[in-house]
Amino acid sequence: KQEVTQIPAALSVPEGENLVLNCSFTDSAIYNLQWFRQDPGKGLTSLLLIQSSQREQTSGRLNASLDKSSGRSTLYIAASQPGDSATYLCAVSPYGNKLVFGAGTILRVKS
Amino acid sequence: EAGVVQSPRYKIIEKKQPVAFWCNPISGHNTLYWYLQNLGQGPELLIRYENEEAVDDSQLPKDRFSAERLKGVDSTLKIQPAELGDSAVYLCASSPRDRPYEQYFGPGTRLTVT
Repeated sequence: KQEVTQIPAALSVPEGENLVLNCSFTDSAIYNLQWFRQDPGKGLTSLLLIQSSQREQTSGRLNASLDKSSGRSTLYIAASQPGDSATYLCAVSPYGNKLVFGAGTILRVKS
Repeated sequence: EAGVVQSPRYKIIEKKQPVAFWCNPISGHNTLYWYLQNLGQGPELLIRYENEEAVDDSQLPKDRFSAERLKGVDSTLKIQPAELGDSAVYLCASSPRDRPYEQYFGPGTRLTVT
């Protein structure tokens, strides 16, 4: 059974700092991996999707990497801003439309 | 384009009472998902519909939970009777046929059972 673990569970940083969120998964047979953002009282928004054949994806200040062989992914956020405060969820897909989520990292960026 | 719509946004009920949640997916999305999200956890799939057919309901507690998606558009998730442990956020998501990995989530219904 696929299990997804995210470290740290919570993170508080001053504005402007670069930071890394970690995700690990137990079964390397995945179709893709996604990073989501969840704001309080709102649904999830997909930030980045990495196909199993890719090593990384970038969107603005966000960069996600994928190492299938070691079962790890990282989400790098550059020059953090207070608006980045949210819960970040990692999800792996063993096949097309099934998602297995981690518990998330709660990020707080202090101004 | 309107997103996934869910109602109600919040619901407080006493245990043993019934409750129902409604979801309207993005227009044209044939796949609809219901997820359960407990506090401090990631969402867990309850049921997935392809059009009006439930194709994955292995995680749905069928003794008290039921769902339907008549006409393959909007969907209703019901709990009867509710238990204290059902307090959670119930999320609905939808995805298009040609990009099943792109799931769009609604804001969820926060259920509190007292």
